[in-house]
Amino acid sequence: QVQLVQSGAEVKKPGASVKVSCKASGYTFSDYFMHWVRQAPGQGLEWMGWINPNSGGTNYAQKFQGWVTMTRDTSISTAYMELSRLRSDDTAIYYCARSYGGNSRDAFHMWGQGTMVTVSS
Amino acid sequence: QTVVTQEPALSVSPGGTVTLTCGLNSGSVSTGYYPSWYQQTPGQAPRTLIYNTNTRSSGVPDRFSGSLLGNKAALSITGAQADDESDYYCVLYMGGGVWVFGGGTKLTVL
Repeated sequence: QVQLVQSGAEVKKPGASVKVSCKASGYTFSDYFMHWVRQAPGQGLEWMGWINPNSGGTNYAQKFQGWVTMTRDTSISTAYMELSRLRSDDTAIYYCARSYGGNSRDAFHMWGQGTMVTVSS
Repeated sequence: QTVVTQEPALSVSPGGTVTLTCGLNSGSVSTGYYPSWYQQTPGQAPRTLIYNTNTRSSGVPDRFSGSLLGNKAALSITGAQADDESDYYCVLYMGGGVWVFGGGTKLTVL
């Protein structure tokens, strides 16, 4: 069955970077877009961007441009999201979510379990 | 700035029907926004309910249905059950590969 397994919780200091991984199984990794969504404590969901695992092409929400980098390693069916220059308000759960189809307009379908990132001095 | 609007909170009686909506601060939601709906309970990852306006995700009971209602997307829940008490989020496709979530609706079953 389709599974997305994310890396474990992270604690980072302000100004540092964090890289979260999302390992996919149960389907052909390159056939579906991978999105990243975050949720600050007690807040709603926020779309950050996507990567096309086939081409490596990316599209980031305007808020995160210049600040987030999404990459993938097709040999191990894993997507990565790296956020730099962390601030305390980047404390959130970060989710990867696979699209239901192979187009950027195909919404999120399967979700990872989430990775808690805490930014604290 | 495009804002996706949802009711902050709604309530429904057990066995009753409730409709949650997803709109825009400017303009109407159409199928071209590919509205999708997600359910989230505390401490859990979101669960996909509906995508492409009205396609139920696998395993989602037919008590949940998606549609367009006036100038908004809508999620209807019929025969509400206690475990439907959750946060519900819609997301809209803005074109150019960009998605925007609504602020979420907290549904209480009482």
